[in-house]
Amino acid sequence: AQTVTQSQPEMSVQEAETVTLSCTYDTSESDYYLFWYKQPPSRQMILVIRQEAYKQQNATENRFSVNFQKAAKSFSLKISDSQLGDAAMYFCAYRTNNNNDMRFGAGTRLTVKP
Amino acid sequence: KAGVTQTPRYLIKTRGQQVTLSCSPISGHRSVSWYQQTPGQGLQFLFEYFSETQRNKGNFPGRFSGRQFSNSRSEMNVSTLELGDSALYLCASSPWTPPYEQYFGPGTRLTVT
Repeated sequence: AQTVTQSQPEMSVQEAETVTLSCTYDTSESDYYLFWYKQPPSRQMILVIRQEAYKQQNATENRFSVNFQKAAKSFSLKISDSQLGDAAMYFCAYRTNNNNDMRFGAGTRLTVKP
Repeated sequence: KAGVTQTPRYLIKTRGQQVTLSCSPISGHRSVSWYQQTPGQGLQFLFEYFSETQRNKGNFPGRFSGRQFSNSRSEMNVSTLELGDSALYLCASSPWTPPYEQYFGPGTRLTVT
């Protein structure tokens, strides 16, 4: 079974600093996709960043970047220059290329301190 | 493009009743997935539809059902509501092409009393 594990239920970061959220996954597939989603309090879930497993280069979207370690089945999210608006629940997700359902981790609640 | 829309946004029902929730995907997206989100259980996958066919199904009782129409709009139905069905129900649409990323609606907050 494909599972996604987020070992940090809660994290906090000082405004303007950098934080890294961890995610590991378990799969026997070689072709898959990984995602980080953000869900602010009482607001809509939005896609933050995606990574194709066949790509060696780590994805980057402005202040958000990932550290994708395929052999270790690790997919961490780094948020640089943290802002108050980054406070949210962050979910790591995985989906295979043969289109099984999307699997989500339990989430990490990020608090940003001013 | 307009985003994923869900109606109604809030709903209060009584135990034993049934409820139907609606989801309109992003234009051009042919896949719709449904999730139940609760504080204790996190995000739980209900089912996924593509081209009016259920493609994947989560581990929920038969009281939870869904369907998709030819215009890709989807509905989910919960019969014989229980108190534990109180949750945020999220709908997500996807183009059904790699990387199969999903775009979420705002959710329907269901409260069962």
